[in-house]
Amino acid sequence: NAGVTQTPKFQVLKTGQSMTLQCAQDMNHNSMYWYRQDPGMGLRLIYYSASEGTTDKGEVPNGYNVSRLNKREFSLRLESAAPSQTSVYFCASRLIYEQYFGPGTRLTVT
Amino acid sequence: DQQVKQNSPSLSVQEGRISILNCDYTNSMFDYFLWYKKYPAEGPTFLISISSIKDKNEDGRFTVFLNKSAKHLSLHIVPSQPGDSAVYFCAALHPQAGKSTFGDGTTLTVKP
Repeated sequence: NAGVTQTPKFQVLKTGQSMTLQCAQDMNHNSMYWYRQDPGMGLRLIYYSASEGTTDKGEVPNGYNVSRLNKREFSLRLESAAPSQTSVYFCASRLIYEQYFGPGTRLTVT
Repeated sequence: DQQVKQNSPSLSVQEGRISILNCDYTNSMFDYFLWYKKYPAEGPTFLISISSIKDKNEDGRFTVFLNKSAKHLSLHIVPSQPGDSAVYFCAALHPQAGKSTFGDGTTLTVKP
């Protein structure tokens, strides 16, 4: 039982490049989330998916897109990376109340 | 407008003493509150939670208190241990939205 897994762990992009962050959970949770965490700040919600087939914008969705591929997988895409998107990205899933987080992806955009 | 606030960015306590971490919220629609703990280079992990219909929940060394009238909750750790040194995030869950709002975190350092 791996919980929530994220790939890659680290990534460096040049401005304008695109990439997809992958997330998968094996706990059969309906809800999945993408957050970013910047230094000294809390977790800000980018997008979430309450169930397979649905996605909704969170607090900071601009510059991102998501796909809920199936119940297990929820990916985050940066179409044209910007330095302001340098951050640590966390994926999470939820059954009822508490969320289970992945280990994070540290992204640097130069 | 930050709906969940942790006004102390950092807290330092001596091993064996009590650690008290505080959190304030503004949205009265929040009905469930959670505390998460985060070590460097790891994802947050769930620590303890409390429903809005309760005023206290205890789990071992960790106790969360909720004061609904003041829109305030606190996490007590007794006794504090060096392994408790981490960032603690307060989160509030909105029942209809199905999403949590997080505070900015408090870095706890427990000195041996």
